[in-house]
Amino acid sequence: DTEVTQTPKHLVMGMTNKKSLKCEQHMGHRAMYWYKQKAKKPPELMFVYSYEKLSINESVPSRFSPECPNSSLLNLHLHALQPEDSALYLCASSQGDTLYEQYFGPGTRLTVT
Amino acid sequence: AQSVTQPDIHITVSEGASLELRCNYSYGATPYLFWYVQSPGQGLQLLLKYFSGDTLVQGIKGFEAEFKRSQSSFNLRKPSVHWSDAAEYFCAVAARFSGGYNKLIFGAGTRLAVHP
Repeated sequence: DTEVTQTPKHLVMGMTNKKSLKCEQHMGHRAMYWYKQKAKKPPELMFVYSYEKLSINESVPSRFSPECPNSSLLNLHLHALQPEDSALYLCASSQGDTLYEQYFGPGTRLTVT
Repeated sequence: AQSVTQPDIHITVSEGASLELRCNYSYGATPYLFWYVQSPGQGLQLLLKYFSGDTLVQGIKGFEAEFKRSQSSFNLRKPSVHWSDAAEYFCAVAARFSGGYNKLIFGAGTRLAVHP
């Protein structure tokens, strides 16, 4: 089973709200990723967790806060977002943090009003 | 610097016709190469990968790709396209950066339309 699940599918939030995106995988993968994808663009890497530790932060603004409670779960906490943060947020996982293929979830469509 | 180029932004083919999507990469070491497909509003699905060995790799949904080191290319092919193949296709290379971390470098994508 190569499934990564993400909730919610859609999220609309105001600029003063706090919300969280969730990602889960049960493939025993030890690396998990958050990507942001704007329309008609490729995904942009935001964060990488390797063995539950944050290993890469691609200079993402602090209004995005990742969390990895255990090896199967990855959260992205959102606070004080801007309208330009509206995008598709994708979670992915891979067997390890070396050059393995990544498996993506279906994404959360976020709209910031 | 590592990069991936997909020269064709849009391609339109007729159903049943053959397909080739182009991908060129720039990477100093042995590349790990991938093709992903994305339907509108969906996540990315891995079609196939090349790590080493046979330069012609088979993937899901009847797709194949050929790695040509001399041309720095990894083109995706399908002999007969189905209407359900209409989607965005991304080529990617896995690159190792200084500091020991790895990331996928994506091309800009090719949007495939299929005419009945």
